[in-house]
Amino acid sequence: QKEVEQNSGPLSVPEGAIASLNCTYSDRGSQSFFWYRQYSGKSPELIMFIYSNGDKEDGRFTAQLNKASQYVSLLIRDSQPSDSATYLCAVNTNDMRFGAGTRLTVKP
Amino acid sequence: SQTIHQWPATLVQPVGSPLSLECTVEGTSNPNLYWYRQAAGRGLQLLFYSVGIGQISSEVPQNLSASRPQDRQFILSSKKLLLSDSGFYLCAWSESFAGELFFGEGSRLTVL
Repeated sequence: QKEVEQNSGPLSVPEGAIASLNCTYSDRGSQSFFWYRQYSGKSPELIMFIYSNGDKEDGRFTAQLNKASQYVSLLIRDSQPSDSATYLCAVNTNDMRFGAGTRLTVKP
Repeated sequence: SQTIHQWPATLVQPVGSPLSLECTVEGTSNPNLYWYRQAAGRGLQLLFYSVGIGQISSEVPQNLSASRPQDRQFILSSKKLLLSDSGFYLCAWSESFAGELFFGEGSRLTVL
C-alpha cells in the first residue's frame, strides 16, 4: 500500500467552478499535512498546511483534514486557468512523503 | 528572508560519468536539508535528508551519495551515473521535521 495516494487525474473543471482534490495516507501517526502546487517543469510551491481535524481556509483555497478516515482534501473555489498545475499532497510523520500528484486543468 | 538555491539547473551526462549537484540555503541556521528525485510523471522520492553537518540519512540505497560539509550546504553526488538516474532533482529545507518544505529551483538531469 502506498503511503500517500492521490488520483492522478487529469481533473478538468471549467473556469469559476470548484476543484476538489483528494488524498489518503496510510500512517495513522502522521501529524502534519501539506498541499503543494507544481507547474510543469518547475519545483513545488507550498499552498497550504493543516495540522488539526476540520477545515482551514486561505483565500480561494480550503484544506480539509479527517484523521479518523486518514483523508486530506483541497478545495479550490472560483478556479482560474492559472490554477492549472499538478497538486501534490504531502504527509509528514518522521519525514515528508509525497503523493504522485493530481493534474488539474481549468478550462476558460 | 530565507532562500534556497541549487545548481546546475540542467545537465546532460553520459552513462558512467560522475555527478555533483549543489544546494545552499541562506537566511537560516541548522536547517533540515533534503534531496528528492522526481521521475517524469511521477511523485517525489526522498533520497537523503540531513539534520546537521556530517549527518546524512539515506532512504534509497543506490549509486548516489550525499554530503553536508557546511551547515547550509548540501551536495548530491555519484561516481558513475546510470540511465535510471535521469530525473528532476530537488533540494529542499525545513526548520523542523514536522514543518513545511521549501524547494530549490530543481536540477534536471538527463543521462544518455
